[in-house]
Amino acid sequence: GAGVSQSPSNKVTEKGKDVELRCDPISGHTALYWYRQSLGQGLEFLIYFQGNSAPDKSGLPSDRFSAERTGGSVSTLTIQRTQQEDSAVYLCASSSRAGLYYEQYFGPGTRLTVT
Amino acid sequence: AQSVSQHNHHVILSEAASLELGCNYSYGGTVNLFWYVQYPGQHLQLLLKYFSGDPLVKGIKGFEAEFIKSKFSFNLRKPSVQWSETAEYFCAVKAAGNKLTFGGGTRVLVKP
Repeated sequence: GAGVSQSPSNKVTEKGKDVELRCDPISGHTALYWYRQSLGQGLEFLIYFQGNSAPDKSGLPSDRFSAERTGGSVSTLTIQRTQQEDSAVYLCASSSRAGLYYEQYFGPGTRLTVT
Repeated sequence: AQSVSQHNHHVILSEAASLELGCNYSYGGTVNLFWYVQYPGQHLQLLLKYFSGDPLVKGIKGFEAEFIKSKFSFNLRKPSVQWSETAEYFCAVKAAGNKLTFGGGTRVLVKP
């Protein structure tokens, strides 16, 4: 079946602008994760959603970052007032459920460049 | 909080050579362990995973990894690498909670 999809694949934005990144998880997967891959920090967890539970936002680097998940499916990661240090590849992953024994499947990522 | 260390940042080897990549983690409780690979221009793909049972795990493409609990290690091995396996390899741990904690990655260059 279809994997995790993300859009756009590339986004170039000017410093100070807001951006929205989209993730479509694998159909039926109830858990959805956002990670960031940057040169300086490697792969970092940002936020995850499981069903209707409150999301775990513990990895969000600042209050400029937010995410929502509508209808338990598609998720949008929003970065307000972008800064150059936000430049990174933003990865989305999903799993059939949250928990130790459930594998996460990753999407191709959105490469964000802040100029 | 858990952390993951991959001590080799870059590895260069010739085709048909054996590969071993080190991974150590810090966490005292139950963990699940993973190796992911990212080929140039592609997304992260799972190579293998350890949840429980036999500590020697076999994954795709002839890769294997051994979980040594006493050493908090999960090293990746392959007896003979191919040029096409030039990629970045990431070790990851999932412990309490649901997020994956990744190591810094090892860039592997296989020379033809």
